[in-house]
Amino acid sequence: SQQGEEDPQALSIQEGENATMNCSYKTSINNLQWYRQNSGRGLVHLILIRSNEREKHSGRLRVTLDTSKKSSSLLITASRAADTASYFCATDAEGGSEKLVFGKGTKLTVNP
Amino acid sequence: DSGVTQTPKHLITATGQRVTLRCSPRSGDLSVYWYQQSLDQGLQFLIQYYNGEERAKGNILERFSAQQFPDLHSELNLSSLELGDSALYFCASSVSTRPYEQYFGPGTRLTVT
Repeated sequence: SQQGEEDPQALSIQEGENATMNCSYKTSINNLQWYRQNSGRGLVHLILIRSNEREKHSGRLRVTLDTSKKSSSLLITASRAADTASYFCATDAEGGSEKLVFGKGTKLTVNP
Repeated sequence: DSGVTQTPKHLITATGQRVTLRCSPRSGDLSVYWYQQSLDQGLQFLIQYYNGEERAKGNILERFSAQQFPDLHSELNLSSLELGDSALYFCASSVSTRPYEQYFGPGTRLTVT
């Protein structure tokens, strides 16, 4: 079964607005990562947040992690048309699993 | 450019055939991961190799096999192909055995007719 589930499945916003995507997962984790995929291309690693961290920033990205609710959010501020892509969360289960399980992704469209 | 290369970019073949997908990891990366991405199943982890040894196995069918060679490149072999095997196949690499900050290749789009 999928570890991470993103919400919403699709999101359409105007350039300059903020975009928020959520990810929920089922089991305890070591880390949670967010990746971006432009249409039909390889995934690009965005950010990793460890299970003992609550918030992390990278440029216009802000990730939060709530292990009690088994959820994470990715906020993209001041979005640009170039941010149009699918965004995936990925988790590795606590206990030393070396498998990375991806959610089905949120498709973000930023309209110019 | 992630530094991970995959060949071929596109592959069209018939049911029942066998194909080999090739991946060269980023320089210095010892781990190679294979993923299958389809519309209905999303991105599925297939298998991981670290420095030539199988490290972790996911939802890989018995008709599929992989290996990592001494020069660290990897090959994914898909045999007795079915229509449902049509998908994007990605290879990713990372420095360690841990699945953190993976670098993905551009993928191989397989179409089985």
